[in-house]
Amino acid sequence: EVSLLESGGDLVQPGGSLRISCAASGFAFIYSAIYWVRQTRGRGLEWVSGISSRGDNTYYADSVKGRFTISRDNSKNMIYLEMNSLRVEDTATYFCVKAVSADSLAFVVWGQGTSVTVSS
Amino acid sequence: SYVLTQPPSMSVAPGQTARIPCGGSNIESKSVHWYQQKPGQAPVLVVYDDRVRPSGIPERFSGSNSGNTATLTISRVEVGDEADYYCHVWDSTFAHLSVVFGGGTKLTVL
Repeated sequence: EVSLLESGGDLVQPGGSLRISCAASGFAFIYSAIYWVRQTRGRGLEWVSGISSRGDNTYYADSVKGRFTISRDNSKNMIYLEMNSLRVEDTATYFCVKAVSADSLAFVVWGQGTSVTVSS
Repeated sequence: SYVLTQPPSMSVAPGQTARIPCGGSNIESKSVHWYQQKPGQAPVLVVYDDRVRPSGIPERFSGSNSGNTATLTISRVEVGDEADYYCHVWDSTFAHLSVVFGGGTKLTVL
């Protein structure tokens, strides 16, 4: 079964750092780009970041550029999101997602999400 | 940056047809994807590339895209269709890739 499982969400103080992870299984991970999407009650769904199958291309939303870093370990089927200089507005549930294919970038597989709260 | 506009809420009676719009400048030039999200659950892809249904999605769900509006149509609406619905496109310019979601439409089945 195709699945993505996020972990690492926590309560962090403003200005702090946190790394969340995503474990993939059931599909050809080494050939798949993976993305992070977050959701807050007030702002709906917001794309955060993406990484190509080999990790040589990374993409970021303007709201996180320079603060967040996405990476992957293809030997472990893992995706990571390193979040620095966290702000209250980064509070959200973070989903790891996979697209249908390289030609169709609809998000067909979603994890269950991991909750990040930035608060003092 | 590219903007997708959805009505915050809509209501429909069971058995009727719901048409959820997603507005964007020349949106017909983009591939539009639609997600259904029920409370406490992750979003589920219900239509992609304007009109393609993923495996397991009922034929009652269909999509169209023309001009400045894409539309998710749910025929013979059931109580179980009550959920939030989001449209989604990719916006790419030279060396810059961005994902855009609509603000979501809460569908209430009366």
